[in-house]
Amino acid sequence: EIVMTQSPATLSASPGERPTLSCRASQSVSSNLAWYQQKPGQAPRLLIYDASTRATGVPARFSGSGSGTEFTLTISSLQSEDFAVYYCQQYKNWPPLYTFGQGTKLEIK
Amino acid sequence: EVQLVESGGGLVQPGGSLRLSCAASGFTFSSWWMTWLRQAPGKGPEWVASIKQDGGEKFYVDSVKGRFTISRDNAKNSLYLQMNSLRDEDTAVYYCAREEHARFYYWGQGTLVTVSS
Repeated sequence: EIVMTQSPATLSASPGERPTLSCRASQSVSSNLAWYQQKPGQAPRLLIYDASTRATGVPARFSGSGSGTEFTLTISSLQSEDFAVYYCQQYKNWPPLYTFGQGTKLEIK
Repeated sequence: EVQLVESGGGLVQPGGSLRLSCAASGFTFSSWWMTWLRQAPGKGPEWVASIKQDGGEKFYVDSVKGRFTISRDNAKNSLYLQMNSLRDEDTAVYYCAREEHARFYYWGQGTLVTVSS
C-alpha cells in the first residue's frame, strides 16, 4: 500500500497570503495525484488531478506541482472561502488501491 | 446536473449488517465506474470499493474483503454496498462517487454508519 503523508497537519494563514501544502508518497506515484478540499459537513471537492491540472470550475489561484513522491498545493492569494481541510490522493495502482493523506487543515491566523 | 444520493446508514451492533444505496441522476449511470468511499470521524477519506460499468469487475480494500459486496443496477441507476460482519472500525460516513480515471469528481452527501453496542 502506498502511504500518503501530508504536512503540516495544521497551517495558520491570513487572507491574501500564499500558503503551500505538502504531500509525500511512500513510493513513486508518477503524476497520479489529486488534491481535494473539504469543508465541514460537505463531501470532498476535487481541485487538482494529474498533479497539476485544475478541475473544471476551480479558481486559478489553486495550483499543484510535483511528481514522483513529492507534491505541493499552492494557493496564490488566500480567500476567506479557502479555509478548509485539504487531502491528497494517489491513484497509481491497478487494480485500484487508492489512498488518501490524513489532511492539512488550513485555518485563519 | 449530476446528483448522487446515499441512503441506508444507521446504528448497528458489531457483527450486524447494513445495505447502503446510492441513487444516481443527471448522467448516463451505466457508462461510469462507481465507487464507495468512507471517512471516519476526524480522518481522511478511504477508498472502499469500485465496480465497473457492467458490474463485471469489482475491487475492494483489504479490510472489507469477504465482508462487503458492491453491486449496481443500471436499470435503476443505483449503486449498492452490502456490509456484513460490521466492526467498530467500520464506523464512518459512507460516500458514493462517480469515478473518472481514478479520480472522484462527483460525490454524494454521505450516509453515516455507526457500529456500536
